[in-house]
Amino acid sequence: SQQGEEDPQALSIQEGENATMNCSYKTSINNLQWYRQNSGRGLVHLILIRSNEREKHSGRLRVTLDTSKKSSSLLITASRAADTASYFCATERAGSYQLTFGKGTKLSVIP
Amino acid sequence: DSGVTQTPKHLITATGQRVTLRCSPRSGDLSVYWYQQSLDQGLQFLIQYYNGEERAKGNILERFSAQQFPDLHSELNLSSLELGDSALYFCASSVDEGAGETQYFGPGTRLLVL
Repeated sequence: SQQGEEDPQALSIQEGENATMNCSYKTSINNLQWYRQNSGRGLVHLILIRSNEREKHSGRLRVTLDTSKKSSSLLITASRAADTASYFCATERAGSYQLTFGKGTKLSVIP
Repeated sequence: DSGVTQTPKHLITATGQRVTLRCSPRSGDLSVYWYQQSLDQGLQFLIQYYNGEERAKGNILERFSAQQFPDLHSELNLSSLELGDSALYFCASSVDEGAGETQYFGPGTRLLVL
């Protein structure tokens, strides 16, 4: 079963705009990770945020984590057409090594 | 390029058949993970091996099995194939056992069962 649920399922924005994707999960976690997948290709790790962290930045990416609400958000600033991809959150549950992925948000950035 | 290789890229076979998917992890990575991605189920964790030993099991069917060899490459065996087994199968690797680690994904094997 899916631990993480991304919202929205699909998002279409103009180049230069910011894109925000949300992820909600159900159980206690060690960390939450965001991955990106270009159509039909392998996933690429973007960022990891640990359960004791609230915010993390990497380049144009900003991730927040609210463990009280069991939710996370991924913000991509100044989007580019090359950011067009599906974005997945993955949670590592407390006491487990495995990752559980959500169904993803499909982001389209229009030039 | 993640450094994880998977073969073959595409596989077309018939129901009832058996196939083997192969994965070579990044150099130095001890853990290998297998995932299945389908439109209806999303990305599902199947199984993890760490340094040759099974470490964690997910939603892996009894018709499926995997192993990790002494050189750390891994194979996923799918038998008595059904139409519903058609999916993208990904292998990923990480340096250690997996807790708090980045997983590096291969390009996947696209399996089509006719």
